[in-house]
Amino acid sequence: QSALTQPASVSGSPGQSITISCTGTSSDVGAYNFVSWYQQHPGKAPKLMIYDVSNRPSGVSNRFSGSKSGNTASLIISGLQAEDEADYYCNSYASSNTYVFGTGTKVTVL
Amino acid sequence: QVQLQESGPGLVKPSETLSLTCTVSGGSVSSGNYYWSWLRQPPGKGLEWIAYIHNSGTTNYNPSLKSRVTISLDTSKNQFSLKLTSVTAADTAVYYCARGAGWYLYWGQGTPVTVSS
Repeated sequence: QSALTQPASVSGSPGQSITISCTGTSSDVGAYNFVSWYQQHPGKAPKLMIYDVSNRPSGVSNRFSGSKSGNTASLIISGLQAEDEADYYCNSYASSNTYVFGTGTKVTVL
Repeated sequence: QVQLQESGPGLVKPSETLSLTCTVSGGSVSSGNYYWSWLRQPPGKGLEWIAYIHNSGTTNYNPSLKSRVTISLDTSKNQFSLKLTSVTAADTAVYYCARGAGWYLYWGQGTPVTVSS
């Protein structure tokens, strides 16, 4: 069970859109629509941003959206804001009722 | 609003057993179709799912930790617990409890655990 692959860092200017990829295999991301995304500010617990590939929990800004194509899931942040600067992690079901996280992406707002 | 709070020793000696408890408020661990999970994050590294338990008693473990981990539920105290045996420095991490399996809406604040003699 290997960690899902995410870019180490992604940056953008305020107002821009950025995309964070999460690449797995045909045994995890590609096989199930059970991908979730988390935002984590330093020293804080992760916050659920997206679940089941593209669903937003109540209270999460609609600037955050998710999608999936093949073995790669994506988190799109539109209208980038200073408060979006954080680490982001994807998570996927990986068969046999186990779950695997991504390597994490640091988002910097320029 | 469901709230979770981890508790346990912040320092554990190598080869000993790490024991943590998560106390749940604002909801019952024994009602509803909910899973209760433990996760961890080593310093400067990413998140790792450790285990989950359902109020039916169903459990599941990360294959890489399965031989050393036990998760349990105490409905009388509205708590669930984690035991990790034979710890090494690689088990040093912030440990989180959360509600869910696969996606986690409610999290505890996390408790740091250091493995050192």
